[in-house]
Amino acid sequence: DIVMTQSPDSLAVSLGERATINCKSSQSVLSSSNNKNFLAWFQQKPGQPPKPLIYWASIRASGVPDRFSGSGSGTDFTLTISSLQAEDVALYYCQHYYNTPPLFGGGTKVEIK
Amino acid sequence: EVQVVESGGGLVQPGGSLRLSCAASGFTFSTYWMTWVRQAPGKGLEWVANIKEDGSDKYYVDSVKGRFTISRDNAKNSLYLQMNGLRTDDTAVYYCAVGFGGFEYWGQGTLVTVSS
Repeated sequence: DIVMTQSPDSLAVSLGERATINCKSSQSVLSSSNNKNFLAWFQQKPGQPPKPLIYWASIRASGVPDRFSGSGSGTDFTLTISSLQAEDVALYYCQHYYNTPPLFGGGTKVEIK
Repeated sequence: EVQVVESGGGLVQPGGSLRLSCAASGFTFSTYWMTWVRQAPGKGLEWVANIKEDGSDKYYVDSVKGRFTISRDNAKNSLYLQMNGLRTDDTAVYYCAVGFGGFEYWGQGTLVTVSS
């Protein structure tokens, strides 16, 4: 199994400041056949299902504000919120979908400082 | 518009059974892998099981192997999860998600509580 490890577990950022979440996979999730990283990011608010933010490590899902960006390749990935807004307070999860089982990271809680 | 609606959750005693259903619409159900994901109270997301488009391949997290069975009915645009031998640590919100991973569409979830 490809295990996903997120860091930090939580972070507090001032409004308008940058938030950075890291995700590391135990094996590469970069496919040699299509040169794509099989890595997604989700946002989850209390009482709601997860909402997709990023696919293929860096492609924003439809309707996602451009302050959210994903980067990285192979085994190391980052989700960046360039200017934190109050509505961004949530849990964030990475997930690989390179093979079965497509496991999630443990989650990172983002709060306002 | 894509809609994914889970049902069938509830309170069940340890050792009991439940069958979850997921009704899908707004997309060509038979061309997508489908997945069950669960979230225990206050915990993170856990992938539970998935099933190939035609139902020929099914995979499970180790903790539910031999107890849970995923299935689908493409004629009814429906996904199922038969849960037997339920344990207290199966207590969670169970989500139906469209796809193999990087799920674009999720249901609102159905709560399964296993308690005596």
